[in-house]
Amino acid sequence: SQELEQSPQSLIVQEGKNLTINCTSSKTLYGLYWYKQKYGEGLIFLMMLQKGGEEKSHEKITAKLDEKKQQSSLHITASQPSHAGIYLCGADNDYKLSFGAGTTVTVRA
Amino acid sequence: GAVVSQHPSRVICKSGTSVKIECRSLDFQATTMFWYRQFPKQSLMLMATSNEGSKATYEQGVEKDKFLINHASLTLSTLTVTSAHPEDSSFYICSAGMNLAGSTDTQYFGPGTRLTVL
Repeated sequence: SQELEQSPQSLIVQEGKNLTINCTSSKTLYGLYWYKQKYGEGLIFLMMLQKGGEEKSHEKITAKLDEKKQQSSLHITASQPSHAGIYLCGADNDYKLSFGAGTTVTVRA
Repeated sequence: GAVVSQHPSRVICKSGTSVKIECRSLDFQATTMFWYRQFPKQSLMLMATSNEGSKATYEQGVEKDKFLINHASLTLSTLTVTSAHPEDSSFYICSAGMNLAGSTDTQYFGPGTRLTVL
C-alpha cells in the first residue's frame, strides 16, 4: 500500500507569516489530494494534483507536485486564523485514498 | 456544489443496540461512497467502499457483519453499527466520489458522526 509521510507533524505560525507543509510518498503519486479538517468535523477538499510539476492555487493556498511525482507541498501565504486546522494529504491508491497522518496548524494572533 | 451530509451528527447509545448512520450526496450523484473511522488525533482509516447496487468492499480487519453498509441509491449510503460496544465509539466519516478529472473520483466528505456507546 502507499505510505504518505507528512511533515511537520504540527506547527505554530504567527498571523501574517507563511507556512509550508510537505507530503512525501513511498511510491509514485498518480493523484494527490489536499484536505483540511477542523477537529471533530469533516474534511474540506482543497486541491487535487495529478501531473508532475503541477501547481495549483486557491486564494492564499498553493499546492505543488514535484516532477518525480513523489512529493507535494502545500504553501499558505500570509496566514490567517481561518487557516488553522489539520491538513491532510491523500494519495490515489487503486481508486481509494490513503491519507497521511496530518499536520496541525495553529495560527497565533 | 459537492455537498455531502451525514445524519446524525452525534449519537449516544447503550451497549448492544444498533445504530444507523446516513450519508447523502446532496447535489450530485455518487456511484461510490466511502466510510472511514477516525480515532482522536489520528488520520482516517478506510473501513469500506460502497458501490451503488452492489455489496460493499471491506478493508482487511473490518467485520462486515458488524458494520453493515447499504448503498441503495446514487445519493444515499448507510452504515449500521450492529450490537455496538464501547470500543465502537469513534468518529465516523463518509465521503462521496465525484469525477473531476482523470480516472479517479475526488472524494467529498460529510461532516462526520460522533458515536458514543455507553
